[in-house]
Amino acid sequence: QKEVEQNSGPLSVPEGAIASLNCTYSDRGSQSFFWYRQYSGKSPELIMSIYSNGDKEDGRFTAQLNKASQYVSLLIRDSQPSDSATYLCAGPRTTDSWGKLQFGAGTQVVVTP
Amino acid sequence: NAGVTQTPKFQVLKTGQSMTLQCAQDMNHNSMYWYRQDPGMGLRLIYYSASEGTTDKGEVPNGYNVSRLNKREFSLRLESAAPSQTSVYFCASRSGTYNEQFFGPGTRLTVL
Repeated sequence: QKEVEQNSGPLSVPEGAIASLNCTYSDRGSQSFFWYRQYSGKSPELIMSIYSNGDKEDGRFTAQLNKASQYVSLLIRDSQPSDSATYLCAGPRTTDSWGKLQFGAGTQVVVTP
Repeated sequence: NAGVTQTPKFQVLKTGQSMTLQCAQDMNHNSMYWYRQDPGMGLRLIYYSASEGTTDKGEVPNGYNVSRLNKREFSLRLESAAPSQTSVYFCASRSGTYNEQFFGPGTRLTVL
């Protein structure tokens, strides 16, 4: 079982709609999670960090962390064509004290005009 | 601030050749990482350096070596390149406060 799992997609979303991305993880001790956006041919860019249960909002992005159910999600409101990218979920290994992250394989989002 | 920089951006090698990928960060981060990204495999950790003077293996270290030259610079060396090392290589550094990692622009390597 992979330690961080995401649906690979593609997730097709009409422009202006909400894109909902999910990530599940196996390490119950993980305390923080990160969402990265990666455009084709580019490097991952950190867009959201979440450290506690509940929601965190930043502009059109909302990250949700549910430690009891071991999932983290990302909502993109009012989706724009510029949101078309692959979104990577990442969390730390609690057995490791050197900040290593486990990355999901990524969910491809396609926003259609 | 430039953040994390990597050179070169692209490289083509023949099997058996060697090369060094360079990475530098200007964010005063202690920890630095080298990843490779292959289609369908996601990001895999090759080596990391928790602090200046220390390095350690990640998930896929075979065929690679690293040097943490100083706090800013962390290089990755392929001693004898193989076609299986064709990949995109990313360097990252970590904010010690919140565990966030920041990535460089990447090096696209092809081994023929």
